[in-house]
Amino acid sequence: ETGVTQTPRHLVMGMTNKKSLKCEQHLGHNAMYWYKQSAKKPLELMFVYSLEERVENNSVPSRFSPECPNSSHLFLHLHTLQPEDSALYLCASSQRLSRRDRTDTQYFGPGTRLTVL
Amino acid sequence: TQLLEQSPQFLSIQEGENLTVYCNSSSVFSSLQWYRQEPGEGPVLLVTVVTGGEVKKLKRLTFQFGDARKDSSLHITAAQPGDTGLYLCAGAMNSGGYQKVTFGTGTKLQVIP
Repeated sequence: ETGVTQTPRHLVMGMTNKKSLKCEQHLGHNAMYWYKQSAKKPLELMFVYSLEERVENNSVPSRFSPECPNSSHLFLHLHTLQPEDSALYLCASSQRLSRRDRTDTQYFGPGTRLTVL
Repeated sequence: TQLLEQSPQFLSIQEGENLTVYCNSSSVFSSLQWYRQEPGEGPVLLVTVVTGGEVKKLKRLTFQFGDARKDSSLHITAAQPGDTGLYLCAGAMNSGGYQKVTFGTGTKLQVIP
């Protein structure tokens, strides 16, 4: 248990479906992240929210739409996905760094295994 | 684009053997992290190294950060089946109050009893 939960754990959807992934952190952190983990690629950072504001969007297609309604919750809305979007989607959280900090720890959830048919 | 190459990609060894995993980059990072990920779970942080030349030990695991802060190694002594998993190195840069982490290509370790 890392203090970060993700639902659902598994999702199968068609290319025309709309679905949402949910992430919740119970650690009091104020930065949250979405990552994509594919079979043959390194873990890729998709989005970063710091203090509920999106601060990073790593050239992610618009069919992925993140939402951070508060510091504990993060959503990834999915619309008109492609089969190549099938992957493990991981959420993480961390504490926003002060100027003195050089490192922090990101805590990952267990991921949502997404299959797009 | 920052890239971290890990070697080897796959490693299958007998219980009790020693092994070393390497992580190399052309970029300098403010810190370098090692994670282990087990099937069906997210990565879990093992260690963070910050200073060039730094060596950290975590029981049977020894982590080293290169002098130039571009490369790192993970050495496991007397591997156990419980060490099986995906090992990921990650370079971290501080960016506007949060940490931007670039992950390596991963090393899949299997320790056979």
